[in-house]
Amino acid sequence: DAKTTQPPSMDCAEGRAANLPCNHSTISGNEYVYWYRQIHSQGPQYIIHGLKNNETNEMASLIITEDRKSSTLILPHATLRDTAVYYCIVRETSYDKVIFGPGTSLSVIP
Amino acid sequence: GAVVSQHPSWVICKSGTSVKIECRSLDFQATTMFWYRQFPKQSLMLMATSNEGSKATYEQGVEKDKFLINHASLTLSTLTVTSAHPEDSSFYICSASIRGAQPQHFGDGTRLSIL
Repeated sequence: DAKTTQPPSMDCAEGRAANLPCNHSTISGNEYVYWYRQIHSQGPQYIIHGLKNNETNEMASLIITEDRKSSTLILPHATLRDTAVYYCIVRETSYDKVIFGPGTSLSVIP
Repeated sequence: GAVVSQHPSWVICKSGTSVKIECRSLDFQATTMFWYRQFPKQSLMLMATSNEGSKATYEQGVEKDKFLINHASLTLSTLTVTSAHPEDSSFYICSASIRGAQPQHFGDGTRLSIL
């Protein structure tokens, strides 16, 4: 079973920030939080990952709570091209298998 | 960034034939690759973990004789769907690991349709 829980769907107005939550209450100390997204009929695309500290890159920001039991992916200015299914995943190393949950289907609305 | 290439991207074949799907890491060596399948409107389901030079580890419920996995080099893993039937029609996706905490990188998937 997946180690994370996410809301099944969310809407966001174009140009606004999209905040996608993820719960990972059983995360262990060495496990990282990764975010991927999948646009229809394509393979998952890596977005961002973090261990304890908040992270930011050209695509998004990742906010991890101090107790590490939850996190939020922030797309600062959502566009129509951000419409996708977003997956939050926790795992320790690159060699560990990844079990995908159902993810959050984000719809960016004009 | 790291690139994973999957080939073919789309294949249609008759029932009873075998189909081979290739997964290549183009600019890095991948000691571990993963194979997933995805049905419409569902999430990715892990089928097996492929380790270079050793036998693949299959997830529960995945038939190893049906889905043959070979990982003969550090840049290539193949998935062969043997004696394919319409119920094997699906979207097959591979991913490759680099090292440490680096993210896995995914191919663009292969859409398999069995008539």
